[in-house]
Amino acid sequence: DQQVKQNSPSLSVQEGRISILNCDYTNSMFDYFLWYKKYPAEGPTFLISISSIKDKNEDGRFTVFLNKSAKHLSLHIVPSQPGDSAVYFCAASKWADSGGYQKVTFGTGTKLQVIP
Amino acid sequence: KAGVTQTPRYLIKTRGQQVTLSCSPISGHRSVSWYQQTPGQGLQFLFEYFSETQRNKGNFPGRFSGRQFSNSRSEMNVSTLELGDSALYLCASSDYRDRASNYGYTFGSGTRLTVV
Repeated sequence: DQQVKQNSPSLSVQEGRISILNCDYTNSMFDYFLWYKKYPAEGPTFLISISSIKDKNEDGRFTVFLNKSAKHLSLHIVPSQPGDSAVYFCAASKWADSGGYQKVTFGTGTKLQVIP
Repeated sequence: KAGVTQTPRYLIKTRGQQVTLSCSPISGHRSVSWYQQTPGQGLQFLFEYFSETQRNKGNFPGRFSGRQFSNSRSEMNVSTLELGDSALYLCASSDYRDRASNYGYTFGSGTRLTVV
């Protein structure tokens, strides 16, 4: 049961344009969402996060939007740069059923290619 | 402070052998999680250790096991290796008290395991 889904395995965007990466989730108990970026042969690095009490969080060129009713979040990169070419994972967290700690679930990733 | 250290970086094993991977978390982090990354499958959760106890486990066969030591360092073991175990194995350490910032989730660079 894939609770966090990234339905687009890949995306190509021209340099300077907007990149929009999408993520859907099924569990309404998720209350914190994150995006990670991963280059080949490296571990994922944190990019941006959003709490479920917000619908938008912005950090420089990166903005994450959350639509709780649709159980959908998206990452916008404006403007896109060649260095943004990487695999992007969305992740969602919730409290464990037994309580006391968080459980994080990752999506399958979207490979973004920014064309110069 | 030092990041998450995984050793070795690369490993080639033969089918049927066993392998042990090591992860040293960020100092002060008591939680270590392990993930398997294969093309098209994203980050598959293996297990999580907190204060030497496994408190969360993914859907992997019993050939995959782990442990955590009193200094929070963790090891992951895979016995009777199969060709399908070839993957990038990532560990992440976290400090759940730091949820607002990166969720406190920091990944190592991974161990690339190739089974031949």
